[in-house]
Amino acid sequence: SQTIHQWPATLVQPVGSPLSLECTVEGTSNPNLYWYRQAAGRGLQLLFYSVGIGQISSEVPQNLSASRPQDRQFILSSKKLLLSDSGFYLCAWETGTEHYNEQFFGPGTRLTVL
Amino acid sequence: AQSVTQLDSHVSVSEGTPVLLRCNYSSSYSPSLFWYVQHPNKGLQLLLKYTSAATLVKGINGFEAEFKKSETSFHLTKPSAHMSDAAEYFCVVSETSGSRLTFGEGTQLTVNP
Repeated sequence: SQTIHQWPATLVQPVGSPLSLECTVEGTSNPNLYWYRQAAGRGLQLLFYSVGIGQISSEVPQNLSASRPQDRQFILSSKKLLLSDSGFYLCAWETGTEHYNEQFFGPGTRLTVL
Repeated sequence: AQSVTQLDSHVSVSEGTPVLLRCNYSSSYSPSLFWYVQHPNKGLQLLLKYTSAATLVKGINGFEAEFKKSETSFHLTKPSAHMSDAAEYFCVVSETSGSRLTFGEGTQLTVNP
């Protein structure tokens, strides 16, 4: 069966520090991968998606970047964190061939920028 | 363009009473629709999905939703609420194959003993 992992589960970082969040998927090949951010009391905002290794699409301009160095690994990064980067970050995957876009979510990373 | 509106940001019910979480969508095509549930500090879990088959969709944990094209609605219901149903619920639309998911703002469900 497929599983999705996110690391770390929680993170507290000072403003201006770098960031690296990791997402890995097991049990599937060639998934589409997504990064979402959920601010407190808000819905989900799509940040990045990837349909393959090295292929990244950005949905909104921001202080963050994403990379996909391997088929089942998706990394969210920042060189210098801002206070507004605080939130709950969710990684999700979907089978690339599925037509109805059902996505499966990881457990999330709670990021607090102080 | 697709959009989704969850009509209530908070819903409070008593344990054992029915649950109704309302969702309206806008789509230029025949959409796929989903309901996800999120417990505190957890990822999202799929409750049910509509993909142009039966309009009444049954999901996990006793939830179901009915797709009503004439009303552009996809309301989530459950006959009898359980304490463990307390969570945030998201209605989601996908307009066409390969298009991105659009999430509603969420409805926080509180279940009182």
